[in-house]
Amino acid sequence: TQLLEQSPQFLSIQEGENLTVYCNSSSVFSSLQWYRQEPGEGPVLLVTVVTGGEVKKLKRLTFQFGDARKDSSLHITAAQPGDTGLYLCAGVYGGATNKLIFGTGTLLAVQP
Amino acid sequence: DTEVTQTPKHLVMGMTNKKSLKCEQHMGHRAMYWYKQKAKKPPELMFVYSYEKLSINESVPSRFSPECPNSSLLNLHLHALQPEDSALYLCASSQVGGRDSGEQFFGPGTRLTVL
Repeated sequence: TQLLEQSPQFLSIQEGENLTVYCNSSSVFSSLQWYRQEPGEGPVLLVTVVTGGEVKKLKRLTFQFGDARKDSSLHITAAQPGDTGLYLCAGVYGGATNKLIFGTGTLLAVQP
Repeated sequence: DTEVTQTPKHLVMGMTNKKSLKCEQHMGHRAMYWYKQKAKKPPELMFVYSYEKLSINESVPSRFSPECPNSSLLNLHLHALQPEDSALYLCASSQVGGRDSGEQFFGPGTRLTVL
């Protein structure tokens, strides 16, 4: 059972455009992570959010955790070709099992 | 050192072969993971080791056999695999438990092809 749904599934945009990726669930997570994965590499952790309503910024990336800790969004401003990759949200479910639930993934392509 | 290393980077094997994937980390993490990933899909959890003991097996077929010789090393022994087992196999490590367990450090993966 997939607990984290991401949208959109695929996104192809031009350099300089803005975009938002959504990560939704019916379950509450004790923490939620965003990862980016480039082809042929492992996922790389971008951010962790833990508090409902929390907003974190990482250069041109803005991450938000929903008030109820069930959903999150990633907004990229002025996308660049280097932002291309598979974006994955992931949450620790239950808090005690070391089991990370991954979202369905969003494949982003930024054209120069 | 915040690196997780995996060897080999690429592996091609026949269905009758026996091979092993290796993973190493020196971050002092006591949780280590094996994931399987198909192209453009999220990683699928296979096994979790916590304090060198197997804590989660996600109903993985017995042709995959994990081993954690010590706190820094994780192996995945492969035997009698099927072509559908071809995938990227990722190793990861983290602190144990709670929110910290979500902050996982991944290796670059082993690209496995089963002929």
